[in-house]
Amino acid sequence: DAGVTQSPTHLIKTRGQQVTLRCSPKSGHDTVSWYQQALGQGPQFIFQYYEEEERQRGNFPDRFSGHQFPNYSSELNVNALLLGDSALYLCASSSSNRGNYEKLFFGSGTQLSVL
Amino acid sequence: SQKIEQNSEALNIQEGKTATLTCNYTNYSPAYLQWYRQDPGRGPVFLLLIRENEKEKRKERLKVTFDTTLKQSLFHITASQPADSATYLCALDISGNTPLVFGKGTRLSVIA
Repeated sequence: DAGVTQSPTHLIKTRGQQVTLRCSPKSGHDTVSWYQQALGQGPQFIFQYYEEEERQRGNFPDRFSGHQFPNYSSELNVNALLLGDSALYLCASSSSNRGNYEKLFFGSGTQLSVL
Repeated sequence: SQKIEQNSEALNIQEGKTATLTCNYTNYSPAYLQWYRQDPGRGPVFLLLIRENEKEKRKERLKVTFDTTLKQSLFHITASQPADSATYLCALDISGNTPLVFGKGTRLSVIA
């Protein structure tokens, strides 16, 4: 049973560029949440997708957008990259059958470096 | 907004001792509180969940307590081992229908 998979594992971009990160949830899960984790900080909630729609959103600008596909996989897009966007981006999956925010299963993350 | 404080950034203990990590929160009382373990360069891994009407939860060498009066959760690892060295994150959900809010974590080092 595959867990949550994320790609790529590492990415280096320059300021102003755009990036797309990808996530496949754990088998049987239909809900995907994205978190940003800066060095030495806890994960910060970006948004959550369910039934191909953004259900909840954290305090992140519109440069951060996402998408969920019919197979429940998800993408996170960040436009006009800033140096401060450098962080570990985590995808977490869960099942709506067990309540909206029961325990999360995280991927290993994508380490984004903006130069 | 909800604020979580994990009092120690780092905690060093001797192998075999009990490690106790603290999580304090302000404002609303969460519907439930979770603890995760995170190793360097990896995503957090779920350990334990405790609900607002529960005072204590155990899983093998792990124990979590939840005191809604003190607005505090304690996370204990008994008979600690070097393999327990990691960052431990506290996370809470206000209503059961809001995103998990994470603390900064406590980095635990168990010294042989």
